[in-house]
Amino acid sequence: LAKTTQPISMDSYEGQEVNITCSHNNIATNDYITWYQQFPSQGPRFIIQGYKTKVTNEVASLFIPADRKSSTLSLPRVSLSDTAVYYCLVGTPGGYQKVTFGTGTKLQVIP
Amino acid sequence: DADVTQTPRNRITKTGKRIMLECSQTKGHDRMYWYRQDPGLGLRLIYYSFDVKDINKGEISDGYSVSRQAQAKFSLSLESAIPNQTALYFCATSEDGQAMRELFFGEGSRLTVL
Repeated sequence: LAKTTQPISMDSYEGQEVNITCSHNNIATNDYITWYQQFPSQGPRFIIQGYKTKVTNEVASLFIPADRKSSTLSLPRVSLSDTAVYYCLVGTPGGYQKVTFGTGTKLQVIP
Repeated sequence: DADVTQTPRNRITKTGKRIMLECSQTKGHDRMYWYRQDPGLGLRLIYYSFDVKDINKGEISDGYSVSRQAQAKFSLSLESAIPNQTALYFCATSEDGQAMRELFFGEGSRLTVL
């Protein structure tokens, strides 16, 4: 199982770009990288998923280098409402039953 | 209405009582999951089900049981609740498939065992 390591917490000012890096040194060939966002007392919400290179959607970008041993979630121009916990997941084929959420990165956006 | 609905949203009970947390979904997904979250920790998988006849234990199934009554319904039971089962419980669903399909979570059920 791929183990992930990400910073426990980060602070950012409103309007700045935030990059959260996740290490997954033993990622398997078939694994995807998925990021979730969780607000207090709510269930996590899917943000973005990728396999290699760069993926962008209306919320975030995901950068994955060629060796795939890490990935970076980029949130452009954060606002106070982006204050949340962000989880990096690396998935084995077959679904979430073998995926660990971990403690995530707690992002605090400061006015 | 939410796609994944959990009831009750909050429950306070006493040690030794039987508790059932219910989850229903309108997404038409085959896969359903129950997670537990403790303060400051990530989510841990309790049980999962890939269809009505398929029930599997997750990382922390001891003290819990589940029932998949229909494709849309997946219930979690605590036969004899104990204080260290105080936690926030989430139900989630996903589509079938080999890839990591998006997980859709309910709003959570906060359980306090006194």
